[in-house]
Amino acid sequence: DAGVIQSPRHEVTEMGQEVTLRCKPISGHDYLFWYRQTMMRGLELLIYFNNNVPIDDSGMPEDRFSAKMPNASFSTLKIQPSEPRDSAVYFCASTPAGGTTDTQYFGPGTRLTVL
Amino acid sequence: KQEVTQIPAALSVPEGENLVLNCSFTDSAIYNLQWFRQDPGKGLTSLLLIQSSQREQTSGRLNASLDKSSGRSTLYIAASQPGDSATYLCAPRGGYSTLTFGKGTMLLVSP
Repeated sequence: DAGVIQSPRHEVTEMGQEVTLRCKPISGHDYLFWYRQTMMRGLELLIYFNNNVPIDDSGMPEDRFSAKMPNASFSTLKIQPSEPRDSAVYFCASTPAGGTTDTQYFGPGTRLTVL
Repeated sequence: KQEVTQIPAALSVPEGENLVLNCSFTDSAIYNLQWFRQDPGKGLTSLLLIQSSQREQTSGRLNASLDKSSGRSTLYIAASQPGDSATYLCAPRGGYSTLTFGKGTMLLVSP
């Protein structure tokens, strides 16, 4: 398996623009997670899905952030409008069935820079 | 809300040393705890997963222990090598498969 795939790997945009990050989880995994990593706050959970259904979005910082999972093999995280403080590395992760022995598998991340 | 603290924040050692990385967490109601490794510019790789009922887990030169009641875990690295240089993160798992991460320990092993 190719692992968790994220695109783009790097994104540079200007304040106010819409940004869409994409993730393809490992086939057969029921859970998908979006995280954000910054130097100040470390790695934070934004939202996660179970069987394509959003379960907990309490980590989404503002209404400017939205996430969707239209099918089991694709998810998006959208920021509209983007702001400089959104600059971070965004990771997607997936796990098989949420059992206590199931580890999370992380993608390589998308480094977002908002100017 | 779970809070995770990792000490030290950074560590620099010569090759061959045995070392211990510490992790503490505030909510002991966890299902398991994972240790991850993150290389610069890369994603996270799971190293060890300890179930809440286990006391320790071993993989090669790595040994992780868990004291759930006191909210502590340690990662022991034996005979460190330059290739071990990375940031190590611990993450206890609460309900619904959610992980809470510490800020990590940045390890540098010099030849």
